Amino acid sequence: DAKTTQPPSMDCAEGRAANLPCNHSTISGNEYVYWYRQIHSQGPQYIIHGLKNNETNEMASLIITEDRKSSTLILPHATLRDTAVYYCIVRVSTVNTDKLIFGTGTRLQVFP
Amino acid sequence: KAGVTQTPRYLIKTRGQQVTLSCSPISGHRSVSWYQQTPGQGLQFLFEYFSETQRNKGNFPGRFSGRQFSNSRSEMNVSTLELGDSALYLCASSLTGSLLLGSEQYFGPGTRLTVT
Repeated sequence: DAKTTQPPSMDCAEGRAANLPCNHSTISGNEYVYWYRQIHSQGPQYIIHGLKNNETNEMASLIITEDRKSSTLILPHATLRDTAVYYCIVRVSTVNTDKLIFGTGTRLQVFP
Repeated sequence: KAGVTQTPRYLIKTRGQQVTLSCSPISGHRSVSWYQQTPGQGLQFLFEYFSETQRNKGNFPGRFSGRQFSNSRSEMNVSTLELGDSALYLCASSLTGSLLLGSEQYFGPGTRLTVT
């Protein structure tokens, strides 16, 4: 599984967009980029995933560069409840097995 | 639909004892994965069960084992507990356990195990 690199921490003002970067320069063609977040003392929560194209759902947008070596998770209007550790994961999956390899993540602090 | 449930939520054990943790997946989900989270090592994959069979395993000693029942509920067991086993143990369930079939992992709240 490819390794990911994320900044250890970021701050964001409430109401502004939070842009969380992730480098995955060794990603291969069949590996997806996944984002999860973990709010203190809770289990990780799925946010979004993508392979090549940019993706958007009700929580966030995922922008993947054309060479797929990096991506950015965008929370368009951050709220205090978005304060959490965000994990960028590159995930290999086959029909027989599937697992998540978590890195150290980015601790996002949203302030008033 | 109820989420993933884990019992107990908190547990205190003594070194040398053994412990069993339980996970009930989301109804209809057949894959259950277990993870260990510690401040030093972060979130680490333990193993995955699908249709009562372990089909993937992380790099943990044999003291860590698990099983899955026909109703997809899963248990993990840690024998001869060590101080370093103190951690948050997380269970995640998914429909098929395969991204290729469009399956996502949903996590439970975890069991916090303290070994003294």
